[in-house]
Amino acid sequence: GIQVEQSPPDLILQEGANSTLRCNFSDSVNNLQWFHQNPWGQLINLFYIPSGTKQNGRLSATTVATERYSLLYISSSQTTDSGVYFCAVWGYGQNFVFGPGTRLSVLP
Amino acid sequence: EAQVTQNPRYLITVTGKKLTVTCSQNMNHEYMSWYRQDPGLGLRQIYYSMNVEVTDKGDVPEGYKVSRKEKRNFPLILESPSPNQTSLYFCASLATSSYNEQFFGPGTRLTVL
Repeated sequence: GIQVEQSPPDLILQEGANSTLRCNFSDSVNNLQWFHQNPWGQLINLFYIPSGTKQNGRLSATTVATERYSLLYISSSQTTDSGVYFCAVWGYGQNFVFGPGTRLSVLP
Repeated sequence: EAQVTQNPRYLITVTGKKLTVTCSQNMNHEYMSWYRQDPGLGLRQIYYSMNVEVTDKGDVPEGYKVSRKEKRNFPLILESPSPNQTSLYFCASLATSSYNEQFFGPGTRLTVL
């Protein structure tokens, strides 16, 4: 089945710093999403982005489907950005596969 | 408001006592799915359903049952829970007409003693 890798596994930032999170996937996909899991465990949809670039406030994402990767950019990070960021893909089977996540800690 | 709801949100039970976690969506989505999340193992799919009366196994189906008798509901059944089913469970739904954004419920924290 399709494999999803994320890097880095852990990231510690000072408030106000920028960061880039990466997601690599092993096969063609027709769906890619980024999620933020907050400290209370809730999964929050950030982007649906099978290709191209999207922006939402301080967050933006780019997926280069032909090269099988996606990037999530967080600018001017805030303590509320802390949590785990997951990328998840839907290949051409029926399974939605999650990456292992990047744990982000933003320090005040 | 478009949403996926799950109940209960928290549950502590004992080994062998049958339980059901309900999941409901109000978006008329065809596809629904259950995941479990465990430390170090990430999120893994348990079962999914492409439509009413159509269900299939995900990556970790052992010890679980599901049913899809109505489009909006997709309950997860643990007939004889064991401690290794202690986990955080998520239900999700998606419109197969577009295969775009999958929506997740708030999660159910289950502890089996």
